[in-house]
Amino acid sequence: AQSVTQLGSHVSVSEGALVLLRCNYSSSVPPYLFWYVQYPNQGLQLLLKYTTGATLVKGINGFEAEFKKSETSFHLTKPSAHMSDAAEYFCAVSADDMRFGAGTRLTVKP
Amino acid sequence: NAGVTQTPKFQVLKTGQSMTLQCAQDMNHEYMSWYRQDPGMGLRLIHYSVGAGITDQGEVPNGYNVSRSTTEDFPLRLLSAAPSQTSVYFCASSYWGHRLGTEAFFGQGTRLTVV
Repeated sequence: AQSVTQLGSHVSVSEGALVLLRCNYSSSVPPYLFWYVQYPNQGLQLLLKYTTGATLVKGINGFEAEFKKSETSFHLTKPSAHMSDAAEYFCAVSADDMRFGAGTRLTVKP
Repeated sequence: NAGVTQTPKFQVLKTGQSMTLQCAQDMNHEYMSWYRQDPGMGLRLIHYSVGAGITDQGEVPNGYNVSRSTTEDFPLRLLSAAPSQTSVYFCASSYWGHRLGTEAFFGQGTRLTVV
């Protein structure tokens, strides 16, 4: 079965700084990859997804991610962090079913 | 259009009790699934269904049962609650299953405590 590893359970950045959240995956078939965001006491919302085509995927709220097959990675970035970006972020891989990483909690300091 | 609705939002059970977590979606999605979320472990798949009458096990199915008699509903049953089942449970649905790379829509979650 496919799996996801998110590097770093907690990332802290200053407001305006670059956000980089790391995700590596394993899959025996071409994967579909997702990033979801979870705000406190809420369900998950889709940020962006990669299925086929362009390897640089743009999502909501200024986030983007690049699919790198050779590195089996799908890191999430945002050029300039905003206080409202503070949340937990989950990378997920889909093949026969959808599997999630352990999550990365993003803190944004003023 | 309500999306994915889970009930109840909070529940406290005693060890050994049984209960059913309800999940309903109004988007005519074929694929529905249940996850549990625990600190440091992300979301782990319990059971999923690709359509009415079809269910399958995920990563952590022990202690849970599901059935799918209609497209709309996918209840999760705890047969005999244990403290290890204390968790936040999420139901999700999507078109045609995750295989086709479609977005999963999540409910608001059920916070379950087993004492």
